Amino acid sequence: DQQVKQNSPSLSVQEGRISILNCDYTNSMFDYFLWYKKYPAEGPTFLISISSIKDKNEDGRFTVFLNKSAKHLSLHIVPSQPGDSAVYFCAARENAGGTSYGKLTFGQGTILTVHP
Amino acid sequence: DAGITQSPRHKVTETGTPVTLRCHQTENHRYMYWYRQDPGHGLRLIHYSYGVKDTDKGEVSDGYSVSRSKTEDFLLTLESATSSQTSVYFCAISESGQGVVEAFFGQGTRLTVV
Repeated sequence: DQQVKQNSPSLSVQEGRISILNCDYTNSMFDYFLWYKKYPAEGPTFLISISSIKDKNEDGRFTVFLNKSAKHLSLHIVPSQPGDSAVYFCAARENAGGTSYGKLTFGQGTILTVHP
Repeated sequence: DAGITQSPRHKVTETGTPVTLRCHQTENHRYMYWYRQDPGHGLRLIHYSYGVKDTDKGEVSDGYSVSRSKTEDFLLTLESATSSQTSVYFCAISESGQGVVEAFFGQGTRLTVV
């Protein structure tokens, strides 16, 4: 039972355009959502997060939107750059009575390719 | 970069042999985790630790054990390696505290069981 799903295995965009990566979840107990970026042969690196009580968080070129009623979040990258080409993972943390131990549940990942 | 070192970075082992992967942190973070990454599955939690000698199972813990005798070290052991345990293994750390959410990952260990 996949609680966090990224239904698009890959996305291809042109440099300078917007990249939109999507993520769906099923567990209403998730209290934070995160996006990670991963280059080949490296560990995932944290990009941006959003609390479940917010609907938008922005950090430079990266914006995450959360739609709780639809259990959906998205990461917008504007403008996209070739260096953004990587695998992007959506992740969620469950608030288990205030003691989650920081465990994260990840989606399958989306490969983003930004063409020059 | 968070001070996380995984060793070895690459390993090839035979089916049925025991294997231990090591994660060492210099950040003094309370929580440590072992994840595995497989195509089509993203990252899945194997085991985690919330303090010295305090560990618990994650989503895919069968065939794995862990130990944490010091704050800085978290060991993952495959008691008897199988081909299904061929994967890339990532250690991660995070700190406790209000508003702290993100975990920091090591570079990964690529394990091949033949």
